[in-house]
Amino acid sequence: EDQVTQSPEALRLQEGESSSLNCSYTVSGLRGLFWYRQDPGKGPEFLFTLYSAGEEKEKERLKATLTKKESFLHITAPKPEDSATYLCAVQAWDSNYQLIWGAGTKLIIKP
Amino acid sequence: KAGVTQTPRYLIKTRGQQVTLSCSPISGHRSVSWYQQTPGQGLQFLFEYFSETQRNKGNFPGRFSGRQFSNSRSEMNVSTLELGDSALYLCASSLEATSYNEQFFGPGTRLTVL
Repeated sequence: EDQVTQSPEALRLQEGESSSLNCSYTVSGLRGLFWYRQDPGKGPEFLFTLYSAGEEKEKERLKATLTKKESFLHITAPKPEDSATYLCAVQAWDSNYQLIWGAGTKLIIKP
Repeated sequence: KAGVTQTPRYLIKTRGQQVTLSCSPISGHRSVSWYQQTPGQGLQFLFEYFSETQRNKGNFPGRFSGRQFSNSRSEMNVSTLELGDSALYLCASSLEATSYNEQFFGPGTRLTVL
């Protein structure tokens, strides 16, 4: 069964303290892995798509990486405005393009 | 460019009633997907419409239905509401049905069932 697990559930960091969020997945054949950010009271906002192992993408203080079993979202020198829930989703080749979502990691950056 | 809009933003209903939620996608987008988000289950896919046709359906009971109009606007209906239907209902639009890398979400409709 296709599955996505995100860890940790919540992460509290001091401003400037770098860390990583994990998304591990089990799918029959990965078509794509997606990272979204969700602020309270809002819908998810697209961040990255990764398609193959070894691929990396960066945006400001965020960098997403992908292996055959997991993806990491690295946050470098975070600021309070990076506080949000980060969601990971995967799409399998045989899923008719449906996304399978992880439960998310709630990130809190303290000033 | 206007984003995805959803109406109403908040809704309170009682068990047994039915509800209709509306979603207006970004201009030019033809695909609209609906999701249910709860603290316990996370984001769960309900269905996707593309050019007025239901293209995909998640594992939800038949009480959940939807449709898409010729202008790509979409509605979602839930009949015979249950307490467990309380959730944030999100709508997302994309240019093409297979373009999940560029899926834009609306702010959601918060449904509370009493």
